[in-house]
Amino acid sequence: DSGVTQTPKHLITATGQRVTLRCSPRSGDLSVYWYQQSLDQGLQFLIQYYNGEERAKGNILERFSAQQFPDLHSELNLSSLELGDSALYFCASSVEVGEQFFGPGTRLTVL
Amino acid sequence: GENVEQHPSTLSVQEGDSAVIKCTYSDSASNYFPWYKQELGKRPQLIIDIRSNVGEKKDQRIAVTLNKTAKHFSLHITETQPEDSAVYFCAASRGSYIPTFGRGTSLIVHP
Repeated sequence: DSGVTQTPKHLITATGQRVTLRCSPRSGDLSVYWYQQSLDQGLQFLIQYYNGEERAKGNILERFSAQQFPDLHSELNLSSLELGDSALYFCASSVEVGEQFFGPGTRLTVL
Repeated sequence: GENVEQHPSTLSVQEGDSAVIKCTYSDSASNYFPWYKQELGKRPQLIIDIRSNVGEKKDQRIAVTLNKTAKHFSLHITETQPEDSAVYFCAASRGSYIPTFGRGTSLIVHP
């Protein structure tokens, strides 16, 4: 157990819908990262938050957005969902730079 | 930005053999190189990492070597066991930059 929690574990929804994925980082970690992992794909970095502020952006679609709240938990919002958005979404946290601790992931299926 | 190439994409070995996975990176300023293991359906977990001021690091059956001049680093697993079967990801980062991940190597250890 990495100490990073993600909910829900699984999510099944339809095209055009909107979903919210939630992540709670390890106690004391200020950085939260979101990654997308499609079938047979590597880890695609989406976005990083540090202590409530957006710090870095990767290949995140405009339909996707995220935020980090004062208690440091983070939410990833995915809207106007398409079939290709089906993937595993991982959240990771770290103190600063260095080892990232990954959560168990949310498996999103868009039908 | 950083570009990380990882080879091979699939590696099949017999139990007890050694396995080597290689990664190259493009940014000569990268100074932190972690390796993650991801078992099927689970989260990536750090197994070993190396910083640019060190050429080699060992932890029991696993070792990582770094050649800064050639900009490549490798993961070595000796005496492989079936439980080593997983996808392995390398990554490279510098300073506070987000790590760039390789596309992963699927290691299969046959009993």
